[in-house]
Amino acid sequence: GAVVSQHPSRVICKSGTSVKIECRSLDFQATTMFWYRQFPKQSLMLMATSNEGSKATYEQGVEKDKFLINHASLTLSTLTVTSAHPEDSSFYICSARDPGGAERDSPLHFGNGTRLTVT
Amino acid sequence: KNQVEQSPQSLIILEGKNCTLQCNYTVSPFSNLRWYKQDTGRGPVSLTIMTFSENTKSNGRYTATLDADTKQSSLHITASQLSDSASYICVVTGSYIPTFGRGTSLIVHP
Repeated sequence: GAVVSQHPSRVICKSGTSVKIECRSLDFQATTMFWYRQFPKQSLMLMATSNEGSKATYEQGVEKDKFLINHASLTLSTLTVTSAHPEDSSFYICSARDPGGAERDSPLHFGNGTRLTVT
Repeated sequence: KNQVEQSPQSLIILEGKNCTLQCNYTVSPFSNLRWYKQDTGRGPVSLTIMTFSENTKSNGRYTATLDADTKQSSLHITASQLSDSASYICVVTGSYIPTFGRGTSLIVHP
């Protein structure tokens, strides 16, 4: 079964509104979660690394004020797309690493993604 | 700069045939290499994970190889099925942050 739950799976919003996406680890506590976006026929692009209890680390070119990340607990990270515009329409995916084993052995578990469409 | 290059970009095969996907990387330091299968509109699902000392790892009809000297990996799929149609992504992790390849889009025709 799924070990990382992402919600919602699909959202349509109007330009200028904000959208919150949740990512939950179900069977383990994840001190670190990752957020990605994926355009059609493109690979996943890492947006930011979410650290429980501290500020997220953003990749170059990703606006931290536009993509707000909150990792308030060991099982939940949220990504809020603020003042969304049509160009923000994309597939957003989160992942979490199960810390049960050594980093080199533990797989990344991915959520099923959120399809955001901004009209 | 850490990079992961995958080939071919896309591949079409007939059901029942075998195929091999390639992954070359320039990630340093190297921690592990993973192959993922991503169905359209879904999140990636892990197929294999390999560390520096591992040369081959199998998961059912999927067999991954790793040559850490040449920094190359391959994913071999045997007796392909229609459900194998998906994007296959090679992910190499160095200093904790993973680097993703662009993926190979595989289409299996009946």
